[in-house]
Amino acid sequence: GAVVSQHPSWVICKSGTSVKIECRSLDFQATTMFWYRQFPKQSLMLMATSNEGSKATYEQGVEKDKFLINHASLTLSTLTVTSAHPEDSSFYICSATTGEANEKLFFGSGTQLSVL
Amino acid sequence: GDSVTQMEGPVTLSEEAFLTINCTYTATGYPSLFWYVQYPGEGLQLLLKATKADDKGSNKGFEATYRKETTSFHLEKGSVQVSDSAVYFCALRPNSGGSNYKLTFGKGTLLTVNP
Repeated sequence: GAVVSQHPSWVICKSGTSVKIECRSLDFQATTMFWYRQFPKQSLMLMATSNEGSKATYEQGVEKDKFLINHASLTLSTLTVTSAHPEDSSFYICSATTGEANEKLFFGSGTQLSVL
Repeated sequence: GDSVTQMEGPVTLSEEAFLTINCTYTATGYPSLFWYVQYPGEGLQLLLKATKADDKGSNKGFEATYRKETTSFHLEKGSVQVSDSAVYFCALRPNSGGSNYKLTFGKGTLLTVNP
């Protein structure tokens, strides 16, 4: 089946630095990618929807200047957490859809971000 | 807004035991309902789904029936295996038309099956 690769799987960074997370669709073209955030024992919360070649659509309450999303190609979307702070520590998950009529959704394995 | 409430874990069972993970939802209209599974170190995978009331989704021995009257989509399996150990997420998607794949998830339920 279709595979979505998310990298890195975990990252530790110092407060004030920026971290980039990549999400790649390996064997299909992803017209739309989604970025989620999950706190321990909480639901996955949709942060933004990313369409190739256009600006991401952010959910209410998500700072677009802090969480920069780029979807420059049909196989790659990136999430950059800028000037990270300890409260940004979380589990980030991407997903991608093929855009076909059936519109199956495939998920990456997630990135655990820890900001010291 | 839409919401999904699922049974809190962790759930620990012995092999061949019966499994139920409860899921209820709040949504307007008639959403589609899903169960996703996340095995250790992997991404979420669609386990089963139902798109209208009274539909039963099934896969790998798991079943869930879309109950409009009780706004529920409980996950069941008659005999669990060690390989079923994973986190299970209930989710809904509004059927508002178009290619909107915005999912609302429950918190996830960790299932551990012991031999």
